[in-house]
Amino acid sequence: SAVISQKPSRDICQRGTSLTIQCQVDSQVTMMFWYRQQPGQSLTLIATANQGSEATYESGFVIDKFPISRPNLTFSTLTVSNMSPEDSSIYLCSVEQGIRGYTFGSGTRLTVV
Amino acid sequence: QKEVEQNSGPLSVPEGAIASLNCTYSDRGSQSFFWYRQYSGKSPELIMSIYSNGDKEDGRFTAQLNKASQYVSLLIRDSQPSDSATYLCAVKGKSDKLIFGTGTRLQVFP
Repeated sequence: SAVISQKPSRDICQRGTSLTIQCQVDSQVTMMFWYRQQPGQSLTLIATANQGSEATYESGFVIDKFPISRPNLTFSTLTVSNMSPEDSSIYLCSVEQGIRGYTFGSGTRLTVV
Repeated sequence: QKEVEQNSGPLSVPEGAIASLNCTYSDRGSQSFFWYRQYSGKSPELIMSIYSNGDKEDGRFTAQLNKASQYVSLLIRDSQPSDSATYLCAVKGKSDKLIFGTGTRLQVFP
């Protein structure tokens, strides 16, 4: 199955700043997915990133807050902008692999102070 | 109604027993169903996928799907303390999006 390298693994950031999270996949994939997991909660889909087009955002998530780039079929970034303590979460990227299901990156644990 | 529902638990079972985890979903058009295991501080790990009605077995794990009842379950036989984790049910609905339930925390005690 695909291997996803996600970084940073964790960060502590000041409120009002931005953090960019990167995911690199070892094979070409059409769609990449970005999830948020708030403390003690399950995974919530933020957006779907397709190469060559604008990301598709889920209800409650907007591009100005979570801009996404997808420059090629193996790489994507998610930026958390103008952070507040409520953005403290684990952020995960994911790719679909047909019958092998969805594979996740190792996650980025973000703490906003 | 939530799209994917699970009992949050914790579900406590003794070592060696069968753990039964349940999940219901609302989108009748869903075609793909997954069970993930998540240890604290780690990312989800795929355990089972199931696509058609009936049972699917893989080692100590059995996934069961009943599309008429919109119900998916996961059985873990001979439960081990290392199985203690949160189990996430996930359903692939429209537009290839994977929707997760809230997860069930399983505790296996010696």
